[in-house]
Amino acid sequence: QSVLTQPPSVSAAPGQKVTISCSGSSSNIGKNYVCWYQQLPGTAPKLLIYENNKRPSGIHDRFSGSKSGTSATLGITGLQTGDEADYYCGSWDASLSAYFFGTGTKVTVL
Amino acid sequence: EVQVVESGGGLVQPGGSLRLSCVASGFTFSSYWMSWVRQAPGKGLEWVANIKQDGNEIFYVDSVKGRFTISRDNTENSLYLQMNSLRAEDTAVYYCVRVGCSSGCYSDVWGQGTTVTVSS
Repeated sequence: QSVLTQPPSVSAAPGQKVTISCSGSSSNIGKNYVCWYQQLPGTAPKLLIYENNKRPSGIHDRFSGSKSGTSATLGITGLQTGDEADYYCGSWDASLSAYFFGTGTKVTVL
Repeated sequence: EVQVVESGGGLVQPGGSLRLSCVASGFTFSSYWMSWVRQAPGKGLEWVANIKQDGNEIFYVDSVKGRFTISRDNTENSLYLQMNSLRAEDTAVYYCVRVGCSSGCYSDVWGQGTTVTVSS
């Protein structure tokens, strides 16, 4: 099981904002960068945020990331039906010498 | 176009073996760490293994240590995952992933996945 904990689901109406938390520990998030991945239904995951708050080329600025201590947060503003997906955080754990994805959060647009 | 393409998945009996392959194109394969990530049916993502550019540094998730071997051939732009002593819980879609690194490292290029089913 993962050492990174996310809420199972979040939801909001179109145009609204959602935030997804990712809780870890001092050996992973507290010490290393956090990434966020989006997995649309039936597709491979896609990198959404890297190094806590940077967006790869082509990722809209509606998506944002932040980190504080041993937790990280993904924010999605201006929610669209196309944002319905599973979202995963990820970070390296220095104590376990292993990479962990979060438990995953399903975003639903009401 | 930067891409990675997996192959080699299939149906195998418990205790059997399978070798997954991944061919990279559109980037300098030998300059990147590479990973395998899997996803069991209806479940979340699970990192399986990482391999450094020259193959001299490798990491595995505990559940596959001693059973799986990640390797690469930079002359063929290829990544491999040799899976032995397969168990039902290894059933998953296996993704080949490029790992980009600047200040930190991140999985920035994903393949479409290849499905491994372990069942009698």
